[in-house]
Amino acid sequence: QVQLQESGPGLVKPSETLSLTCAVSGYSISSGFYWDWIRQPPGKGLEWIASIYHSGSTYHNPSLKSRVTISVDTSKNQFSLKLSSVTVADTAVYFCARHDSSAWQFDYWGQGTLVTVSS
Amino acid sequence: DIQMTQSPSSLSASVGDKVTITCRASQTITRYLNWYQQKPGKAPNLLIYAASTLQSGVPSRFSGSGSGTDFTLTISSLQPEDFATYYCQQSYSYPRTFGQGTKVEIK
Repeated sequence: QVQLQESGPGLVKPSETLSLTCAVSGYSISSGFYWDWIRQPPGKGLEWIASIYHSGSTYHNPSLKSRVTISVDTSKNQFSLKLSSVTVADTAVYFCARHDSSAWQFDYWGQGTLVTVSS
Repeated sequence: DIQMTQSPSSLSASVGDKVTITCRASQTITRYLNWYQQKPGKAPNLLIYAASTLQSGVPSRFSGSGSGTDFTLTISSLQPEDFATYYCQQSYSYPRTFGQGTKVEIK
C-alpha cells in the first residue's frame, strides 16, 4: 500500500522560506512516476505547484516558478518542497501526491499539512 | 494555462437522486481528464481517470464521459457518503489545473 506523509513547520513568517518533506512508503521513488506538490488555501480550490521525477526532471507552475524548488532524495525515499519569500497568500494545506504516468492522474495523496504564514 | 470550469458550483440533492456535474476545458484536452472527491479535512480521492476509467475500489455508481473540451461526472444513485466536493483536473499539459469544485449537499 503506497502511503505519503508530509512534514514540516506549521507556521512560517512572511518573507521566509516554507520547507516541506514528503516521505513515501510502500513504493520506491526510484521505480518511476512523478511526485508532486499541490496546495489548497482554506475554503478554496486546488492549485498544482510542481512535479519531480526520480532522475531530477521537474515541472513547475509558472505562477510560482521563481519561488519554488522541488527536490528528491531517493536514498531516503522522499521528496521536498521549498517556497521562498512567502506571504499570507501562501497560507494553505499542502498535499504531496503520486502522479501516475498511465493517464497522469494523482492516484495517491498524503493527508495534507496546514502551513500558516503569519508574523 | 488550460482553464477548467465546472458547473454547477454547488447543488442540493437527495439520497437516491441521479447527479450530473459538468466540466469544460478552455481548449481540447482529448481524454486527459480526471475526477476527484474531497471530504472536509481530507485529501482528494481519485474517482475517475482518462475521462471514463473507474479507479480501483470506487463504486460503480460513479461514471465519467466526454472528450475534447466537455466532460461529465455522473452519480447514478446518490448515497449518504457521496456528499462532498468534486473536482475535475486536466492532465493534458503543464501546468496541471483543476476546476473550482462542485459541492454536493443534502437537500
